[in-house]
Amino acid sequence: EDQVTQSPEALRLQEGESSSLNCSYTVSGLRGLFWYRQDPGKGPEFLFTLYSAGEEKEKERLKATLTKKESFLHITAPKPEDSATYLCAVRGGADGLTFGKGTHLIIQP
Amino acid sequence: EAGVTQFPSHSVIEKGQTVTLRCDPISGHDNLYWYRRVMGKEIKFLLHFVKESKQDESGMPNNRFLAERTGGTYSTLKVQPAELEDSGVYFCASSQAFGGGELFFGEGSRLTVL
Repeated sequence: EDQVTQSPEALRLQEGESSSLNCSYTVSGLRGLFWYRQDPGKGPEFLFTLYSAGEEKEKERLKATLTKKESFLHITAPKPEDSATYLCAVRGGADGLTFGKGTHLIIQP
Repeated sequence: EAGVTQFPSHSVIEKGQTVTLRCDPISGHDNLYWYRRVMGKEIKFLLHFVKESKQDESGMPNNRFLAERTGGTYSTLKVQPAELEDSGVYFCASSQAFGGGELFFGEGSRLTVL
């Protein structure tokens, strides 16, 4: 059974204080690792897809990296508007994505 | 362009009653997915439609849940009869191509079963 574990569960940073979120996974036949952002009362919003170890993707202050066992979402010089829950998901054998519980990120001004 | 829309946004029903949730995907998206988040747990996959056909329904919890997608357009998810453990947020998502992971999610339908 595919599994995704995210850490930490919650993270509070000062504006401009860079950090990383972790996503550890076990999957039989990885067909993609995905990062989503979710704001309160909204549905998840797609950020990145990674397919193979060593792959990196960047978007504004976010950079996602992938190894054979985990993925990191690096946040550089975050702003308050980056506050959200960040979700990691994998696609293995089934059509659907297997999600982690997410990391609740708060950026204080 | 309109996003994925879901209705109702919130439904409160008694145990044993029936509820039908509706999802209108982005126009032209053949792939439609239903997911559910129960309080305190992760978002879980329920099923996947390609046009009007059920491609994968391995995540459907039991036969009290019935999903349909009429003419390959909107989809409904019916829960009959509802149980307490069915409470949660039901998300619908759609995508044009399968496999890319870029799913467009709706805002969800919150179901509360009393």
